[in-house]
Parts: sequence; C-alpha cells; structure tokens
Amino acid sequence: RKEVEQDPGPFNVPEGATVAFNCTYSNSASQSFFWYRQDCRKEPKLLMSVYSSGNEDGRFTAQLNRASQYISLLIRDSKLSDSATYLCVVNMGGNQFYFGTGTSLTVIP
Amino acid sequence: ETGVTQTPRHLVMGMTNKKSLKCEQHLGHNAMYWYKQSAKKPLELMFVYNFKEQTENNSVPSRFSPECPNSSHLFLHLHTLQPEDSALYLCASSQHAGAYNEQFFGPGTRLTVL
Repeated sequence: RKEVEQDPGPFNVPEGATVAFNCTYSNSASQSFFWYRQDCRKEPKLLMSVYSSGNEDGRFTAQLNRASQYISLLIRDSKLSDSATYLCVVNMGGNQFYFGTGTSLTVIP
Repeated sequence: ETGVTQTPRHLVMGMTNKKSLKCEQHLGHNAMYWYKQSAKKPLELMFVYNFKEQTENNSVPSRFSPECPNSSHLFLHLHTLQPEDSALYLCASSQHAGAYNEQFFGPGTRLTVL
C-alpha cells in the first residue's frame, strides 16, 4: 500500500461547481497534513494546512478524518483559475513528508 | 529577490559530468529540503537540513551529494548520474524542520541526463 493515495482524476467540472477530493494515508500515527496546488511545470504552492477540527479559507474547506485515515479538500464555486493539480501531503513523523501523486482538476467555462 | 530561488532552471548533462544545483531562500527559514519529482510519480524527499545540519537522508544514492553552508543556501552536487535521474529537482524551506512546518518551494531545476 502506498503511503499516500489520491485519485489522479482528471476531474473536469464547470465553473461554479463544487468539487471534492479525498486523500488516504497509511500511517495512523501521521502528525500533520497539507494541501498544495501545482500548476503545470511549476512548483507546488501551499494551499492550506489541515487541522483536526477542519478549516476553511474562502472557497476552500479541508477536513481530517483520523478514524478512516483520510483528508479531504472541498472547493466551492469553482473558478477557471482553480485548474491545477492538487497534492496531498502527510507527515508521518519527524521530517518524513509523503506526497500523493496529485489530483488533476480542470474547470471548464 | 524574495522566496526560494533555484539555479539553474534547466540543466542537461552527460553521465560523466559533474554539476551542482543551487538553492537560496530569502525567508529567514532554518530548514531546507531537496525533493525529486519524476513524471507520474509523487515528490520524493531526498534530504533535510535543519540549522545547517543534515537530519534526513532518504537512502539517496551517493552520486547525489548535498551541502548546506548556512541556513540560506543549499546545494546538490551531482556526479556520474544515470538517465533515470532525469527529473525536476525542487528545493523547499520552512521555518524549522518537523511535522507542523509549512514548506515553501522554489521553481525547481529540470535536469536531463543523457
């Protein structure tokens, strides 16, 4: 089993739609969780950390479910500029950060 | 300059060459990282430095040799690479090393080994 797994997609959604991605992780003792976005041929950029109680930043909401070992990212009112690959990152102790392969999102006009 | 910078942005080298990648962060951070991103694969953590001391080496072949002279600069020295080492090499930094520190990435060096 991979340390971090994501549905690669692609997710093609119309502007204004709501879309959600999940990411599962293998280590129940994982300590911290993040979502990054990566545009084509660019570096990953931090979107948000994921807190135990869940957190929201504008149109983006992140949730953590420790019992089922997954995190989620919800994007409301999708914009064309949201088109990117969304990377799930999990810290499994110390400095061991594991990345998923990413979920590709295309928002269609 | 701001953020994390990397040079060169593109590098083509033969298997017998020796080259170095450079990373500099202007964020006042204390931890720096090297990652490898190959096509269709997740980012792989290679090395971590915290306050200039190496804290992680994730079984990286010795043909990759990191150097961290101070908290702002990180190098990756390359020698006798293989074609399968062709990838995007990303540098990142964070305030400190450890689980709860958000990482900020440079633009990467796209390496091609012939």
